[in-house]
Amino acid sequence: QKEVEQNSGPLSVPEGAIASLNCTYSDRGSQSFFWYRQYSGKSPELIMSIYSNGDKEDGRFTAQLNKASQYVSLLIRDSQPSDSATYLCAVPLGGSYIPTFGRGTSLIVHP
Amino acid sequence: ETGVTQSPTHLIKTRGQQVTLRCSSQSGHNTVSWYQQALGQGPQFIFQYYREEENGRGNFPPRFSGLQFPNYSSELNVNALELDDSALYLCASELTGGTDTQYFGPGTRLTVL
Repeated sequence: QKEVEQNSGPLSVPEGAIASLNCTYSDRGSQSFFWYRQYSGKSPELIMSIYSNGDKEDGRFTAQLNKASQYVSLLIRDSQPSDSATYLCAVPLGGSYIPTFGRGTSLIVHP
Repeated sequence: ETGVTQSPTHLIKTRGQQVTLRCSSQSGHNTVSWYQQALGQGPQFIFQYYREEENGRGNFPPRFSGLQFPNYSSELNVNALELDDSALYLCASELTGGTDTQYFGPGTRLTVL
């Protein structure tokens, strides 16, 4: 079964804290990994892509990839209430170039 | 703004009816994908078109069909609507497919009564 798994949450963190979002995937051969942010009632917006093991930083966002363990995570530093959204992990599986999306993790950043 | 537009924004239909949803991709983007997103779920891939030909299909029945036109616009048609078709329908365009970045439109919210 080709799957991308995420905890649906909600994950609640205080303003200024680090939010850690996790995603596991079923295909060891997957090569590209994407994180999308989706505000309620809006469409997904790409915030990070990562292709190599290790960390990739972009502003307050860091994506971490561990292909051996088949997980990818997203860290959000100095979380702000405006970061409150659903975060979707997307991974092309089974040799496909079409990304399979997880169900998303709801993040709530409270003041 | 992604440069991808969809119409209509909202739509209400009754079971058994047919519906056509429209998407206008970024100029030069030859690939468009359509997704269905039910409440509380991630987007589910319906199909992809590349240069007006279907280029991949997800686990959706044949009553879901599509078209892509030379002017970078596309359509999703759904026949014999069922209650479970109620969802947010998203189109996403990309330059050529593969590992290119997908740019999502704002979506069409379809409600089937």
